[in-house]
Amino acid sequence: GENVEQHPSTLSVQEGDSAVIKCTYSDSASNYFPWYKQELGKGPQLIIDIRSNVGEKKDQRIAVTLNKTAKHFSLHITETQPEDSAVYFCAASRGSQGNLIFGKGTKLSVKP
Amino acid sequence: ETGVTQTPRHLVMGMTNKKSLKCEQHLGHNAMYWYKQSAKKPLELMFVYNFKEQTENNSVPSRFSPECPNSSHLFLHLHTLQPEDSALYLCASSQVVQGELFFGEGSRLTVL
Repeated sequence: GENVEQHPSTLSVQEGDSAVIKCTYSDSASNYFPWYKQELGKGPQLIIDIRSNVGEKKDQRIAVTLNKTAKHFSLHITETQPEDSAVYFCAASRGSQGNLIFGKGTKLSVKP
Repeated sequence: ETGVTQTPRHLVMGMTNKKSLKCEQHLGHNAMYWYKQSAKKPLELMFVYNFKEQTENNSVPSRFSPECPNSSHLFLHLHTLQPEDSALYLCASSQVVQGELFFGEGSRLTVL
């Protein structure tokens, strides 16, 4: 079955710097890769996703890149702000043909 | 406010107790899910319901018993739990199975 590895487990950056979180997956048939943000005391919330027919997607300060050959995808946050502090989860699935498999999460701390 | 409401937010129970977790979604979605979130582990899918029918039981022990009376409500009945079952239990819904997940804020369960 699918296995998703996520690194780093914790990340601390200065406000205004960039943050990068990386994930690898094992199932070459996976074609859907969402990223969820979980703030303290709340449930995870989708922030961006990418499908396997594109290599990069951007939404304001957030971008995701996908390398299907290497089976890895990354989340990039630019100009980080304190409100970006949260736990971020990557996930992978075969779309409607399979369940979402989540990584273990990355706790991002943005210091003012 | 994600449109998915979970109650109670916190629950402490003994190993011989019987209790239930409740989830209600106000989004008109057709699929509902239970996830278990433990520290330093990936989100674990427990159950999936699509149009009130259970489509996935991810090898969950029988001491967890789900119930889905309609597409808007999902319950997780708990009995004779173990201390290792202590975790945050997240409910989610999606328009279609394995579509974008909308999570509730979770029920924090402590088993003494």
